Amino acid sequence: AQSVTQPDIHITVSEGASLELRCNYSYGATPYLFWYVQSPGQGLQLLLKYFSGDTLVQGIKGFEAEFKRSQSSFNLRKPSVHWSDAAEYFCAVARPKNYGGSQGNLIFGKGTKLSVKP
Amino acid sequence: DSGVTQTPKHLITATGQRVTLRCSPRSGDLSVYWYQQSLDQGLQFLIQYYNGEERAKGNILERFSAQQFPDLHSELNLSSLELGDSALYFCASSPGGLAVDTQYFGPGTRLTVL
Repeated sequence: AQSVTQPDIHITVSEGASLELRCNYSYGATPYLFWYVQSPGQGLQLLLKYFSGDTLVQGIKGFEAEFKRSQSSFNLRKPSVHWSDAAEYFCAVARPKNYGGSQGNLIFGKGTKLSVKP
Repeated sequence: DSGVTQTPKHLITATGQRVTLRCSPRSGDLSVYWYQQSLDQGLQFLIQYYNGEERAKGNILERFSAQQFPDLHSELNLSSLELGDSALYFCASSPGGLAVDTQYFGPGTRLTVL
């Protein structure tokens, strides 16, 4: 069965430091890949997504993610973290179209909570 | 603000009761998804509707049901509630209901079953 693993439950970084959040997926083929952010008391907001093509994807709020097929990974990065980035981050996958998927339902990882030290 | 509205924001009820959660999608979006977020299970897909028809089903219990109305709003009905149903329930909408479409999430309904 398809699954998404986010190995880090909680990460703390200093403001201005770089950030990398890890995501690994298990799937029969390359799924569609997403990163969402959830601020306290809020719904989820899409940061970026990958379907095909360039393996380095740019998103909103200065985030980027790199797809590595050989490692089944889609790690999220930001060069300089701001205090407002403190939130929970979710990696998600969806079934690609050529695998009989017309549905768009997302399978989420357990999330990584990011704390930012001043 | 995603444009997706969910009511109520909070709901406190007792075991054995039945509740209805409501979702209004973004203007123009035809597809609605329901997700459950709990501490032990994380974020799980429950069910998807597209233009009034059920399109996909996930880990939705038989005690739960949903529907999408002609005006495209959706309701999630939870019955015979148990303590373990306490969770945050999210609705998301997307234009076409395909994996390539961005899903826009509402703020959620927090259900507490006592």
